[in-house]
Amino acid sequence: DAGVIQSPRHEVTEMGQEVTLRCKPISGHDYLFWYRQTMMRGLELLIYFNNNVPIDDSGMPEDRFSAKMPNASFSTLKIQPSEPRDSAVYFCASRRAGDTYEQYFGPGTRLTVT
Amino acid sequence: GDSVTQMEGPVTLSEEAFLTINCTYTATGYPSLFWYVQYPGEGLQLLLKATKADDKGSNKGFEATYRKETTSFHLEKGSVQVSDSAVYFCALSEIKGAQKLVFGQGTRLTINP
Repeated sequence: DAGVIQSPRHEVTEMGQEVTLRCKPISGHDYLFWYRQTMMRGLELLIYFNNNVPIDDSGMPEDRFSAKMPNASFSTLKIQPSEPRDSAVYFCASRRAGDTYEQYFGPGTRLTVT
Repeated sequence: GDSVTQMEGPVTLSEEAFLTINCTYTATGYPSLFWYVQYPGEGLQLLLKATKADDKGSNKGFEATYRKETTSFHLEKGSVQVSDSAVYFCALSEIKGAQKLVFGQGTRLTINP
């Protein structure tokens, strides 16, 4: 079975541009998580979904960030407008309800905003 | 709230040395505990887990024992290899709600030949 798929793997954009990150969770998984990783702040949970419904978005840094999950096999994280301080690696993870809570991570998207 | 504290890095060892990375936690109840590993340029991978007190998780020569008395889950390996160089994260699952994972800050391990 394929793991969590993220695209693009690398994104370089200019300040002010819109950025969309994509994630395909493992088939059959009920939960989807978006994380951000930086040297300064480590690994931060941004938002998570259960059965395509956003449950907790308290980690989303500000209104410039938004996330959607239109169906069980696809989610997006959008930043509009992007700023240099958004440069980070963004991870998507998924897990199945009833599992012993371990999450399966994608390879990440490295975002650089210049 | 729940939290995880890891030994600060970076940690540098020679090949075949003994490894310990300390991890302690604060939580309500008895969470499941995990060690994840992140190799350069990759996402986090589950290394091992323990779901109840006194359980020992093990994988690839690594071990960690769930110690309720000391609220600890230290990672150990008897003889490290260069290929073990990575960042290691200790994590716990919240008891309530969606059982989100709470991660420690990560410990960077470098093994020299």
